[in-house]
Amino acid sequence: EVQLVESGGGLVQPGGSLRLSCAASGFRFSNFWLSWVRQAPGRGLEWLAYIKQDGTEKDYVDSVKGRFTISRDNAKNSLYLQLNSLTVEDTAVYYCARGRWRGNFWGQGTLVTVS
Amino acid sequence: DIQMTQSPSSLSASVGDRVTITCQASQDINKYLNWYQQKPGKAPKLLIYDASDLETGVPSRFTGSGFGTNFSFTITALQPEDFATYYCQQYEDVPLTFGGGTRVEIK
Repeated sequence: EVQLVESGGGLVQPGGSLRLSCAASGFRFSNFWLSWVRQAPGRGLEWLAYIKQDGTEKDYVDSVKGRFTISRDNAKNSLYLQLNSLTVEDTAVYYCARGRWRGNFWGQGTLVTVS
Repeated sequence: DIQMTQSPSSLSASVGDRVTITCQASQDINKYLNWYQQKPGKAPKLLIYDASDLETGVPSRFTGSGFGTNFSFTITALQPEDFATYYCQQYEDVPLTFGGGTRVEIK
């Protein structure tokens, strides 16, 4: 069974940092592009970033470029998102998803609150 | 960035109704459109990709159509478990962008 489990969310002050993790199981992790998507409370979905199977290609939405960094460790079947210089507008549930163009499996999300 | 305009933003319908949601892209996105379903407190679930292809395991009452800038998503006979919010998402270009969502509520 494919599973993605996010962790690392929490309460952080403006200007602070967090590192989110996404632990994967049930599929060959190194074969897939992976993505991060977020959803602010009561709002819609926002794609943030994706990363290629070997980590050599990444891209980001402009609103997080230079502040967030996506990375992966294929040996640990884990995806990461480093969040720096956080603002209140970054408050959201952060989801990891399997896939580049479409997320066919998603984690349950981890809540980041900047306050 | 490609803007995705989804309508309506909400609708009320009864079990058994036919429901249609539209999504308009600000520029030509070919067939590169997904549709997702999201229930409260849950992650989105992929229903349709490439505008009209049904994801494995998704009931056939969900259909998608369209090409270029105009797309539609239909639930042919609404079931109780279909009350949720639906999002379109384009992947013709980065940044990938979502529509604002359509909340389907019980009449």
